[in-house]
Amino acid sequence: QVTLRESAPALVKPTETLTLTCAFSGFSLNTTKMCVSWIRQPPGKALEWLARIDWDDDKYYSPSLRTRLTISKNTSKNQVVLTMTNMDPLDTATYFCARMPNMIRGYMDVWGKGTTVTVSS
Amino acid sequence: QSVLTQPPSVSAAPGQKVTISCSGSSSNIGSMSVSWYQQLPGTAPKLLIYDNNKRPSEIPDRFSGSKSRTSASLVITGLQPGDEADYYCGTWDSTLSAHVFGAGTQVTVL
Repeated sequence: QVTLRESAPALVKPTETLTLTCAFSGFSLNTTKMCVSWIRQPPGKALEWLARIDWDDDKYYSPSLRTRLTISKNTSKNQVVLTMTNMDPLDTATYFCARMPNMIRGYMDVWGKGTTVTVSS
Repeated sequence: QSVLTQPPSVSAAPGQKVTISCSGSSSNIGSMSVSWYQQLPGTAPKLLIYDNNKRPSEIPDRFSGSKSRTSASLVITGLQPGDEADYYCGTWDSTLSAHVFGAGTQVTVL
């Protein structure tokens, strides 16, 4: 059974750095073409893709957030970590991680439940 | 402003059909596979359609997808109250080197 679970501080202050962790089970990021994406959703708004890391450690970022994001993986721990610097109240959102079993076909077949992050002083 | 354009809302009576469109360009829908996601209130998105028209095994055949040139569509037939949700299309954009989603379509069962 494939599962993903996101974790992060529920509250961060403006200008701080947010660290999001996606712990997964039931698959390996060593598998050819496997990847994991991060997606966020501000309250009442649409999904926004943030970043993706591939089985071969290729990394892709949202063009609008590229300078603030860093994605990494720990294959032995089955974790993907996303850091976002210089947090702003507009970054208040629910953050999801999702498995993408084939980077070329580009679909997210299993999602975590999400973790809600509020940015406020 | 989303790269992929979806109608904000569609509605129909129970048992009827709704079609949700997703319009893009040659750098995304025109050259990449499209997927569709259902998000029920307060829950994570769920994969409905992948590779333009394939359904995961647990998704009923009331949901179908298609693609033509730079547009894609999701059709829901035999509409049920439990289908009330937000629906998103998504794909890869080769110019942006980024995954893109539509702004979402809210389906209301009258």
